[in-house]
Amino acid sequence: DAKTTQPNSMESNEEEPVHLPCNHSTISGTDYIHWYRQLPSQGPEYVIHGLTSNVNNRMASLAIAEDRKSSTLILHRATLRDAAVYYCILGSGYSTLTFGKGTMLLVSP
Amino acid sequence: EAGVVQSPRYKIIEKKQPVAFWCNPISGHNTLYWYRQNLGQGPELLIRYENEEAVDDSQLPKDRFSAERLKGVDSTLKIQPAELGDSAVYLCASSSGRIYSTDTQYFGPGTRLTVL
Repeated sequence: DAKTTQPNSMESNEEEPVHLPCNHSTISGTDYIHWYRQLPSQGPEYVIHGLTSNVNNRMASLAIAEDRKSSTLILHRATLRDAAVYYCILGSGYSTLTFGKGTMLLVSP
Repeated sequence: EAGVVQSPRYKIIEKKQPVAFWCNPISGHNTLYWYRQNLGQGPELLIRYENEEAVDDSQLPKDRFSAERLKGVDSTLKIQPAELGDSAVYLCASSSGRIYSTDTQYFGPGTRLTVL
């Protein structure tokens, strides 16, 4: 399985943009890039996913490098409720998602 | 729309005792997953069901763990006997389709198991 590398933790101030990086240098052509997040004492929740082009939804934006070896999850204005562990996961075809340790995002008021 | 329901939310048992977890997926979702999450780690897949069929149980410790999904809806995960190392959060998730690379998984709140 292709693996991802994420920083263990990041800090942000409330109402500032947050850029969460993910490296996936061994990504294959059919791998989608998924982001999930897990708030304290909850199960993970879907954030966004993409293949090649940048993606936007109501929660976040996903910027994918041209060579697809890295991607960045962008939270445009962090709130205290965005404090969570963010997982960057590769998924291909009929393979299930494999979660790593993710990045713990700390948001300060 | 109701989400994935799990019960109980918390369970404390002594080692060697049996324990069971229940999951009700989102209505209409054919695929159901059980994950185990140890402290400080990401969720690890234990078993995946497609309707009633367990299509991936390669990570399920079959000597003590068992699961079933009768009628392709609710599912139960059982541990017998429990060991100290089984203390973890057990998460259930469901999704609608078979193309896992783009199929969004919806997770329940999990059951926190403590084995004393």
